[in-house]
Amino acid sequence: AQSVSQHNHHVILSEAASLELGCNYSYGGTVNLFWYVQYPGQHLQLLLKYFSGDPLVKGIKGFEAEFIKSKFSFNLRKPSVQWSDTAEYFCALRGGGADGLTFGKGTHLIIQP
Amino acid sequence: EAQVTQNPRYLITVTGKKLTVTCSQNMNHEYMSWYRQDPGLGLRQIYYSMNVEVTDKGDVPEGYKVSRKEKRNFPLILESPSPNQTSLYFCASTRGGGGSTDTQYFGPGTRLTVL
Repeated sequence: AQSVSQHNHHVILSEAASLELGCNYSYGGTVNLFWYVQYPGQHLQLLLKYFSGDPLVKGIKGFEAEFIKSKFSFNLRKPSVQWSDTAEYFCALRGGGADGLTFGKGTHLIIQP
Repeated sequence: EAQVTQNPRYLITVTGKKLTVTCSQNMNHEYMSWYRQDPGLGLRQIYYSMNVEVTDKGDVPEGYKVSRKEKRNFPLILESPSPNQTSLYFCASTRGGGGSTDTQYFGPGTRLTVL
């Protein structure tokens, strides 16, 4: 069975602070990893994804994530957050050639002006 | 424009009254699925379909039905809704085929309240 764990359910930061959201997964085989963002009242949007190759992936809006296979981690980072980054962030895993996604429980990020 | 559409976007109903939430995609995707999102639980997969007439249970299928008579449509059916099915529902689609490098496209969500 596969699972995704997001360490922080709620994070509050001030504008311009640096961000790192933790994501760890459990799966024994090849994985594809994703970060999705859900702005208030909106649907899920893909921030970035990792399939293979360079473990440091860059996404939209200045976000990046690093896949560390030895740690089973895929943490999301942004050097300087903005108020508009307030949203819920989901880490997701697709493993074993399947098409469905397993999601973490989400991290609610609040950026204070 | 590539998209996944859902209808209705908001629905308030009463216990036991059958309802259907429609989902349609215009990308000729083979794989479609339904998720429910609940606070503190993230998204959990309800049902999925790998192609026309091929459906299977996800992690939380109880109380739901689906059908896939056409490639583009994947309706979610609640035969007898109960209050514990109050949730935010997302339909998603992807090209499919297992191991492909594409991503899932999500619909805008349907907020369902069962009284």
